[in-house]
Amino acid sequence: EDQVTQSPEALRLQEGESSSLNCSYTVSGLRGLFWYRQDPGKGPEFLFTLYSAGEEKEKERLKATLTKKESFLHITAPKPEDSATYLCAVQAGGATNKLIFGTGTLLAVQP
Amino acid sequence: GAGVSQSPRYKVAKRGQDVALRCDPISGHVSLFWYQQALGQGPEFLTYFQNEAQLDKSGLPSDRFFAERPEGSVSTLKIQRTQQEDSAVYLCASSLFSRGLNNEQFFGPGTRLTVL
Repeated sequence: EDQVTQSPEALRLQEGESSSLNCSYTVSGLRGLFWYRQDPGKGPEFLFTLYSAGEEKEKERLKATLTKKESFLHITAPKPEDSATYLCAVQAGGATNKLIFGTGTLLAVQP
Repeated sequence: GAGVSQSPRYKVAKRGQDVALRCDPISGHVSLFWYQQALGQGPEFLTYFQNEAQLDKSGLPSDRFFAERPEGSVSTLKIQRTQQEDSAVYLCASSLFSRGLNNEQFFGPGTRLTVL
């Protein structure tokens, strides 16, 4: 069964304190791995898509990496405005185009 | 350009009532998805349209849930005889393509349904 597990469930950082969020997955034929940011009361906001092991993508203070079993979202020198829930999702091979999400990591960055 | 929009943003229904939730995808997007998100959880897939064709409805929890996209643009998710366990945020997403690269899904703000 296709599955996504994110850790930690919650993370509290001081402003400027870099860290990483983990997304472990089991999927039958990975078509893509997606990272989203979700603020309270809003829909998920697209951040990155990764397609193959070894791929990396960056956007401002965020960097996403992918291996055959997991993905990391590295946050460098975070700011309070980076506080949000970060969701990881996989899209499996085959006919379906649905995303399978993890439960997310709630990140709080304190000034 | 405009993103995905959903209406209403909030809906309160009495148990047993029927509700209809609307989704306006990004113009030109072929694929449209509905997800259900419970508090503190990630979104869970409900159903998928490619243009007007409903290609996957494996996530619909019961036959009380029905979705349509008759002209390949706007979609409606209908829930009949609502139950308390239907209370959740219903998210709509659209993507430009159905396969290949650049098929990332863009989400709307969601409709928060509360069944009393």
